[in-house]
Amino acid sequence: DTAVSQTPKYLVTQMGNDKSIKCEQNLGHDTMYWYKQDSKKFLKIMFSYNNKELIINETVPNRFSPKSPDKAHLNLHINSLELGDSAVYFCASSPSPIEQYFGPGTRLTVT
Amino acid sequence: AQSVTQPDIHITVSEGASLELRCNYSYGATPYLFWYVQSPGQGLQLLLKYFSGDTLVQGIKGFEAEFKRSQSSFNLRKPSVHWSDAAEYFCAVGNQAGTALIFGKGTTLSVSS
Repeated sequence: DTAVSQTPKYLVTQMGNDKSIKCEQNLGHDTMYWYKQDSKKFLKIMFSYNNKELIINETVPNRFSPKSPDKAHLNLHINSLELGDSAVYFCASSPSPIEQYFGPGTRLTVT
Repeated sequence: AQSVTQPDIHITVSEGASLELRCNYSYGATPYLFWYVQSPGQGLQLLLKYFSGDTLVQGIKGFEAEFKRSQSSFNLRKPSVHWSDAAEYFCAVGNQAGTALIFGKGTTLSVSS
């Protein structure tokens, strides 16, 4: 039983393309997140949704747009991909209180 | 500003030896503290957490951590390291439900035989 799943696991694409990463959680949590892990393994929050409502929107380019069709799903769409977008993107979900459960990550490589 | 510092970028210990990974935080309110482990190519797994109460918390895989408010620290320990413990370890701090965690930069643990 996968708690937090992400697809795809690997994504290789060219600069300028548009791509999406999907996340699903079957834990019944109300809050979901997207984190970015850079090449130095530093993890930083990008977005957070609570019950389909955006509650955290860190300073990320407008090319990144999260979408939450329901509280079990949080997708990340990226327009006009750039080399610097290459990273591992982690989805997470959280019950109340705060502990977060992470998905396996999506390694995005932009060439 | 809220921050988490993991002073050791890389630590190597011998298999069977004890381990301590350091974590210091800067946080205005009472923190919620976490340790996560990331094995190569894998996601993050929660090892243990501290919210309140007993300052010595037990986690999975034989790990424990001690919260010391006076030192703003939450160090992770294990009495006897196994080769499978080689991974990246992240300390994180948060405050209340719905807010993001702030992570340290991680400590890479290598285990020598």
